[in-house]
Amino acid sequence: ETGVTQSPTHLIKTRGQQVTLRCSSQSGHNTVSWYQQALGQGPQFIFQYYREEENGRGNFPPRFSGLQFPNYSSELNVNALELDDSALYLCASSTPGQGTHEQYFGPGTRLTVT
Amino acid sequence: QKEVEQDPGPLSVPEGAIVSLNCTYSNSAFQYFMWYRQYSRKGPELLMYTYSSGNKEDGRFTAQVDKSSKYISLFIRDSQPSDSATYLCAAISGGYNKLIFGAGTRLAVHP
Repeated sequence: ETGVTQSPTHLIKTRGQQVTLRCSSQSGHNTVSWYQQALGQGPQFIFQYYREEENGRGNFPPRFSGLQFPNYSSELNVNALELDDSALYLCASSTPGQGTHEQYFGPGTRLTVT
Repeated sequence: QKEVEQDPGPLSVPEGAIVSLNCTYSNSAFQYFMWYRQYSRKGPELLMYTYSSGNKEDGRFTAQVDKSSKYISLFIRDSQPSDSATYLCAAISGGYNKLIFGAGTRLAVHP
């Protein structure tokens, strides 16, 4: 069984730029959730994708957007980067059959905005 | 007030000690309660979850939920240096999709 994978591992961007982060869900999982984890904090829910549609959103501005593809992989896009966007971005996969409480996380992408 | 509160520690214990990690929550609608372990610079790893009130045991780990007091606990018996990590509690309402996390407690188990 393949676990959740994310790319890139880390990257550095300049304020105002745009970034795309990628996630491949665990085998058999059709739901992907994205979280932002600031240093020393717990993860915060950004949004979730199910069947290629956004299925819930946390308290994040519209410059955070996403996509889910037919193979259940997903992208997180962040426009007009701000210094406060520096964080570990985590994606988690789940399947409604097991319940969305069972979310399995990838290793994360560490984003630094300078 | 945050929906899930967790003491960030750090907590330092000797090898073999019993560790108690705790969280409180405010949302009565929460039905599932999770514990994740996160090693430095890694993603969170799901340790175990509990539905509603009660206990759940898995090897050296026991999760406990008391809905009357809105209290979540994780006990680690015979702690090992490999248990050194940040432990995150999380909760979710049935039918909803977002996990609400505590800030995490850093645990160090020294030989």
